Amino acid sequence: EAQVTQNPRYLITVTGKKLTVTCSQNMNHEYMSWYRQDPGLGLRQIYYSMNVEVTDKGDVPEGYKVSRKEKRNFPLILESPSPNQTSLYFCASSLNPGLAGVVWFFGPGTRLTVL
Amino acid sequence: DAKTTQPNSMESNEEEPVHLPCNHSTISGTDYIHWYRQLPSQGPEYVIHGLTSNVNNRMASLAIAEDRKSSTLILHRATLRDAAVYYCILRPLIGNDMRFGAGTRLTVKP
Repeated sequence: EAQVTQNPRYLITVTGKKLTVTCSQNMNHEYMSWYRQDPGLGLRQIYYSMNVEVTDKGDVPEGYKVSRKEKRNFPLILESPSPNQTSLYFCASSLNPGLAGVVWFFGPGTRLTVL
Repeated sequence: DAKTTQPNSMESNEEEPVHLPCNHSTISGTDYIHWYRQLPSQGPEYVIHGLTSNVNNRMASLAIAEDRKSSTLILHRATLRDAAVYYCILRPLIGNDMRFGAGTRLTVKP
């Protein structure tokens, strides 16, 4: 089954404790992206990757890092999480984002709470 | 970027058709119209997309106005499982982002 998976689905942590949220897709997609969703602010893009070893900032990249060493994986790293990073996070992938008619696939979400 | 305008919320009765409107008066000639929905506690999922002509798939139909300044997502028989937030999104020909607005929260009553 074609899908985007994220782990963990739920995470409660404390300020300053480094964490990684994993994202994996099995569709051989070139493009992957991370979003956060907050009440009243909608979905906002954090980082994206056009292909292996190619990443770029989205609208809200501060406090986050990403890497793309393999095509299928795109982990989101919070080196020193803070309470304002408490949010619902979604990973997305698509075959080629430059094609406007291409479908995007989203993961099930990771709910992160930083105390 | 061209913007979309959708009603904040709509209600429907189960097994009745639902017409979800979207206004996009500043759409450019090469923007695709995409619809995604987000079920409770899930990530967004693709529903349908089109450029100029009306489109049908197993989930829904998309009716695009002749001037492309508006579109309507049609669910032919709403079920309880269709309760979700529906997003109308314009995708430019070249672009790396999927920009979500506030969407329309659809409530389906039994």
